[in-house]
Amino acid sequence: NAGVMQNPRHLVRRRGQEARLRCSPMKGHSHVYWYRQLPEEGLKFMVYLQKENIIDESGMPKERFSAEFPKEGPSILRIQQVVRGDSAAYFCASSKSVGTGTENTEAFFGQGTRLTVV
Amino acid sequence: AQKITQTQPGMFVQEKEAVTLDCTYDTSDPSYGLFWYKQPSSGEMIFLIYQGSYDQQNATEGRYSLNFQKARKSANLVISASQLGDSAMYFCAMTTQGAQKLVFGQGTRLTINP
Repeated sequence: NAGVMQNPRHLVRRRGQEARLRCSPMKGHSHVYWYRQLPEEGLKFMVYLQKENIIDESGMPKERFSAEFPKEGPSILRIQQVVRGDSAAYFCASSKSVGTGTENTEAFFGQGTRLTVV
Repeated sequence: AQKITQTQPGMFVQEKEAVTLDCTYDTSDPSYGLFWYKQPSSGEMIFLIYQGSYDQQNATEGRYSLNFQKARKSANLVISASQLGDSAMYFCAMTTQGAQKLVFGQGTRLTINP
């Protein structure tokens, strides 16, 4: 019963390169969320996806960042032309369903991908 | 918009003592859920406890309990009989019916001293 799997765990990119972060949700989960955590800060929501659909991307930077969750395969967070300020931990979480706000729709987190831009 | 405030950047507690981590929230949505997560130095996010806005009883999970005071909009985490392994960052978070994403506070770094 594997949990949320993120890879790679650590990723080093030079400025201007592309970063691809992958997330495989827990079995049976169709809702995926991406969060970014800067050092010594809380997690900040980026995007919420269901299979083949972006539901809420209000936290995504307007440029260089994109996310997808195809019918088959993992969810991908893609950062083009990375800059030093993109260095952070990127967490993926998945849930089975969305509740009304009063049900525990616990989101299970992956181990995170630590991106370092040099 | 939803907001979570954690006013204690760091706390130091003696082993075996109880500790309360503060969390206040703000939302206009009557339906919401409150969560606490633990993040040890290894970095993973560990779910601790959940409280729904319509729950009548305070949530409890082992040594963790959530002191939910709806009128004050507070959801403090209480850890009883603290252990060295409790040293970590602790994040309060919420979801609402209108927005399924988790909104996190800035976190509290808890250090348990032997």
